[in-house]
Amino acid sequence: QQQVKQSPQSLIVQKGGISIINCAYENTAFDYFPWYQQFPGKGPALLIAIRPDVSEKKEGRFTISFNKSAKQFSLHIMDSQPGDSATYFCAVNQAGTALIFGKGTTLSVSS
Amino acid sequence: DGGITQSPKYLFRKEGQNVTLSCEQNLNHDAMYWYRQDPGQGLRLIYYSQIVNDFQKGDIAEGYSVSREKKESFPLTVTSAQKNPTAFYLCASRGRVGGYNEQFFGPGTRLTVL
Repeated sequence: QQQVKQSPQSLIVQKGGISIINCAYENTAFDYFPWYQQFPGKGPALLIAIRPDVSEKKEGRFTISFNKSAKQFSLHIMDSQPGDSATYFCAVNQAGTALIFGKGTTLSVSS
Repeated sequence: DGGITQSPKYLFRKEGQNVTLSCEQNLNHDAMYWYRQDPGQGLRLIYYSQIVNDFQKGDIAEGYSVSREKKESFPLTVTSAQKNPTAFYLCASRGRVGGYNEQFFGPGTRLTVL
């Protein structure tokens, strides 16, 4: 059973547009929700993370929106740039265990 | 220079051979993890260790083995029992940064079975 469902699988956005990637989860015990960015042939890098006690966190052009009642969280990339073209993974965590990852979204930003 | 190192970057294995992937971290993290990445499958957990001399199976542990004799090191052995070992293998460690227990990844090892 997939504990975190990520969508869409792929996304094409024009330069300057907004990229939105969504994740949904079932287990209300999850207490930490990070997003990772991965370029081809590299390890994933932590991009931004949120705890369930806040509804939004912003770092530069990247924002996480968190909806606790709907058990969903999303990554918004404002003013998307060709350099943002990568695969993005959401993850969920329950205290004391390992991160569980979504299947990833491949983002292509066209110039 | 702090971080996680994995070696080798590329590894080729003949069928029936065991191979060991190295993972070292100098971040003083207690927890370490091994993930396998296949196209369209995301990151699947193989094994993890939250303390020296202890480790737990993840979702796809069959055909793999690990050891954790030192805090800094968490090697992964891919045995001949693993039927489809060609994949990108990622090691990670986790520790306290600010208010979060954050997880960091190494650069990965690409294993190909010939």
